[in-house]
Amino acid sequence: EAEVAQSPRYKITEKSQAVAFWCDPISGHATLYWYRQILGQGPELLVQFQDESVVDDSQLPKDRFSAERLKGVDSTLKIQPAELGDSAMYLCASSPRDGYFSGNTIYFGEGSWLTVV
Amino acid sequence: GQNIDQPTEMTATEGAIVQINCTYQTSGFNGLFWYQQHAGEAPTFLSYNVLDGLEEKGRFSSFLSRSKGYSYLLLKELQMKDSASYLCAHMDSNYQLIWGAGTKLIIKP
Repeated sequence: EAEVAQSPRYKITEKSQAVAFWCDPISGHATLYWYRQILGQGPELLVQFQDESVVDDSQLPKDRFSAERLKGVDSTLKIQPAELGDSAMYLCASSPRDGYFSGNTIYFGEGSWLTVV
Repeated sequence: GQNIDQPTEMTATEGAIVQINCTYQTSGFNGLFWYQQHAGEAPTFLSYNVLDGLEEKGRFSSFLSRSKGYSYLLLKELQMKDSASYLCAHMDSNYQLIWGAGTKLIIKP
């Protein structure tokens, strides 16, 4: 069964350092999402791509976060500089299309745990 | 604005039935989702309702009332492995998921 791949699974970094997360969606999926989930809360959308274009990045803290999906396939989320409050799980998800939704077509990766010390 | 509410924590006994409620407010609606999330893991899809009524899938059922902005997830014959957080999310008019904070379900023997 196809899966959304994410790496690294766990990352510990010092504050003010740079950190990057990578996501490879399921082949053929046009829509890619990056979420941040703080312990005890629901996921928060950071950025949504449709192919290589950003559809929504209104919740992305653009002074320190950046995301790209240059060829419309895999994607990288970067944080620079990292702050203590960035400690969270970063989830990548993908879906085969946008504009029409049939329920169980958003697939999540296993997530990347970030601890900033 | 958009808002979604669910209880923070619930406790139930193995073998019993539990109902987790979710209320939402939205300007546009394209479906209501329930996801299960075990500690330290990604959410996994449980159910999707876009029309009013009850959807049954084995031990899990989900209900939706669009006019009331209300949904519930019903878990029957509870097992210890059902201990997890249950996340309610609705899809808005822009096809984006708006998530609740999740309900932590604790199953006791």
